[in-house]
Amino acid sequence: AQSVTQLDSQVPVFEEAPVELRCNYSSSVSVYLFWYVQYPNQGLQLLLKYLSGSTLVESINGFEAEFNKSQTSFHLRKPSVHISDTAEYFCAVSEGGATNKLIFGTGTLLAVQP
Amino acid sequence: EAQVTQNPRYLITVTGKKLTVTCSQNMNHEYMSWYRQDPGLGLRQIYYSMNVEVTDKGDVPEGYKVSRKEKRNFPLILESPSPNQTSLYFCASSLLWQGAPTGELFFGEGSRLTVL
Repeated sequence: AQSVTQLDSQVPVFEEAPVELRCNYSSSVSVYLFWYVQYPNQGLQLLLKYLSGSTLVESINGFEAEFNKSQTSFHLRKPSVHISDTAEYFCAVSEGGATNKLIFGTGTLLAVQP
Repeated sequence: EAQVTQNPRYLITVTGKKLTVTCSQNMNHEYMSWYRQDPGLGLRQIYYSMNVEVTDKGDVPEGYKVSRKEKRNFPLILESPSPNQTSLYFCASSLLWQGAPTGELFFGEGSRLTVL
């Protein structure tokens, strides 16, 4: 069965510093991978996705994630964070099929400090 | 504006008092789903619906009911709420592609429920 692991429950970082949020998954078949972001008191929003093709995917606000099949990872990175990036970030995986069910990780709180 | 609307956003109730959390989307999405979010557990799927009159259990369906009589609405019903159903609830929707949800979910803003 597929599962998603986000080992870091919280990542504190200073403004303008780089950050990496880690995501590992387990699955025996091809997967689709997603990062969702949840700003305070809001619902989740899709940040970026990997479906096929280039293993490096980017969002419009400077985040990127790289699909690494051998490491079964989909880490999220940003070279320079802003205060406004403070949010909880969820990694999710699906295996396609009839229901294409999304399995979410437990989330990582990115806390950007001035 | 494309959106998923949930009501109420906040609710405090007592054990055993039936309640309904409404969810409505204006994007003509076939797929709708309910999740609960608990600290340290992430999001867990309660029920989902692939289309009108088509619903199925997710990972944690016990104590919940749903219905899908119209495409835009997907209410979550707690017939006899208990304290372990205290949680943050999210409704989400998406299009279908080749008969399956795309994985690109649109979420409501959440409903925080407290059962005393």
